[in-house]
Amino acid sequence: DIQMTQSPSSLSASVEDRVTITCRASQTISSHLNWYQQKPGKGPKLLIYAASSLQSGVPSRFSGSGSGTDFTLTISSLQPEDFATYYCQQSYSTPFTFGPGTKVDIK
Amino acid sequence: QLQLQESGPGLVKPSETLSLTCTVSGGSISSSSSYWGWIRQPPGKGLEWIGNIYYSGSTYYNPSLKSRVTISVDPSKNQFSLKLSSVTAADTAVYYCARMFADSYYFDFWGQGTLVTVSS
Repeated sequence: DIQMTQSPSSLSASVEDRVTITCRASQTISSHLNWYQQKPGKGPKLLIYAASSLQSGVPSRFSGSGSGTDFTLTISSLQPEDFATYYCQQSYSTPFTFGPGTKVDIK
Repeated sequence: QLQLQESGPGLVKPSETLSLTCTVSGGSISSSSSYWGWIRQPPGKGLEWIGNIYYSGSTYYNPSLKSRVTISVDPSKNQFSLKLSSVTAADTAVYYCARMFADSYYFDFWGQGTLVTVSS
């Protein structure tokens, strides 16, 4: 199985801050990396697919980059509705695996 | 807009079988561009992929659960289902059904999730 790690596990930030979350795969996964946002009591929402493609309807302040084993999710200007937990997921091979999550809360 | 809704018992006894159904609306489960999947999340923890099914019936399971999992599809009802046998307290989780886009293997539509508690 491909193991996914994320850092940090949590962070505190203010509105309009630039936030970067890192995801690392235990082996190369090319660009087969997706990012999700999850709010309490809700199912995950797809933000970014194929490492850097913005899902339709997702604000442009979200962006993704990386390939191989190292990936980043960037929120260019954090908004109040962005406080949530973020997960990466590799879609290179089964079993599909998720990172442990990064919780973004209000400073 | 595609919508998915999980249904099934919220309480299952240890050693019994957990059974959930996902009803798809706003689109056809027989779409060639879709896989249909189950993902679970224990309380306060991360996400675990359980398995996927294609409308033809082809299945793909997480090896960690494969011996206990069966996913099936009923195109006539636009539904797919999950059965997990011999459950223990470790199977207590919110269970989500989701659509996986077949070309890139990302989950783009999710149900709201249903909490299943394993307890006597």
